Amino acid sequence: LAKTTQPISMDSYEGQEVNITCSHNNIATNDYITWYQQFPSQGPRFIIQGYKTKVTNEVASLFIPADRKSSTLSLPRVSLSDTAVYYCLVALNSGNTPLVFGKGTRLSVIA
Amino acid sequence: GAVVSQHPSWVICKSGTSVKIECRSLDFQATTMFWYRQFPKQSLMLMATSNEGSKATYEQGVEKDKFLINHASLTLSTLTVTSAHPEDSSFYICSARPGGVGTGELFFGEGSRLTVL
Repeated sequence: LAKTTQPISMDSYEGQEVNITCSHNNIATNDYITWYQQFPSQGPRFIIQGYKTKVTNEVASLFIPADRKSSTLSLPRVSLSDTAVYYCLVALNSGNTPLVFGKGTRLSVIA
Repeated sequence: GAVVSQHPSWVICKSGTSVKIECRSLDFQATTMFWYRQFPKQSLMLMATSNEGSKATYEQGVEKDKFLINHASLTLSTLTVTSAHPEDSSFYICSARPGGVGTGELFFGEGSRLTVL
């Protein structure tokens, strides 16, 4: 399973765009990149997933360069409720493949 | 989206007792479920992979005799912490992925907080 590296923590003011970059130098050809959000005392919640280029949904965008050795999660106009830990994961997209979590990025949004 | 539910949400027990945590996939069948443990301010640590109708696969360092996993149906996996001790106090989270290859999202339960006195 590919190992990921991301910043331990980030601070942002409300209304700003936040970009969290994750490195995954040994990503395999069939691996997908998935980001999860976790609030205290809750299970992680899926944010977005991609394989290459750019993916956008109603809450975030995911940018993946051609070499796929990194990815950037972009959160537009964050609010206080976006304060959470964000995990970048890389793994096969199959039913019996677990996700191995790295340390994650603790995002603090300040008013 | 798919729902994974855990019960209980929190439990307090005395040292030496056993505690069972249930994980259910409410609207899909899951031949495989995953159990994680999370200590305060730390990331999730994969404990084991629960396989319906067969033995669970445990990660290195996880005692299979202490953390008993039973996946008796396609919608239910249970984790039993046997002879619990204070160091077993943690947040236990299960997860499952609907369908087979290429279905994407892994859904997580709400978590179960165990406190051993």
